[in-house]
Amino acid sequence: GAGVSQSPSNKVTEKGKDVELRCDPISGHTALYWYRQSLGQGLEFLIYFQGNSAPDKSGLPSDRFSAERTGGSVSTLTIQRTQQEDSAVYLCASSPPSGSVRGELFFGEGSRLTVL
Amino acid sequence: QKEVEQNSGPLSVPEGAIASLNCTYSDRGSQSFFWYRQYSGKSPELIMSIYSNGDKEDGRFTAQLNKASQYVSLLIRDSQPSDSATYLCAYSMDTGRRALTFGSGTRLQVQP
Repeated sequence: GAGVSQSPSNKVTEKGKDVELRCDPISGHTALYWYRQSLGQGLEFLIYFQGNSAPDKSGLPSDRFSAERTGGSVSTLTIQRTQQEDSAVYLCASSPPSGSVRGELFFGEGSRLTVL
Repeated sequence: QKEVEQNSGPLSVPEGAIASLNCTYSDRGSQSFFWYRQYSGKSPELIMSIYSNGDKEDGRFTAQLNKASQYVSLLIRDSQPSDSATYLCAYSMDTGRRALTFGSGTRLQVQP
């Protein structure tokens, strides 16, 4: 596809369950970002992958959150033992190599997570 | 103190007026600044970038940056109802965290 693809678009889960969110970036984009956005709020940085460099995990809110990026392409964000405060839209974005300096992030449509 | 401060709004302006959106940031190491537009229920999209002090114009949009005052603004001339959206201010750095840091956004309403 031409854009960033995220799945699932909607996920409803029960408190305590684990969830996985997937992101397929734009082909050729070396940088991949995960943000989350709670209702009416701005974007909260979670994690950033750039090529083969070690990811910047400084935004992950707790050790229940983890992410990996396989083969420099697809990324999976995993939330273990979900809590109600994890409910948000999880946005993935990708950019070309120097895109983060130019601010050229291309966002997917997001995965809306609801924890009951 | 938040890294990026924006008035949440809503900022309401009549059609054809100038909308002025403001943003202050705390990190003096910030290098590049951006304005993203987010329509309700949609993902953010980049509309303006600015890297040096002064003004940068692109069509109806003008971004203004003052690094000494740690202030960046976005002016929208001849506002249209289609400009109604949330505008997010963001910055990136050359060192340290490379990912963009976003503000919480200002909701703009353009009244027809």
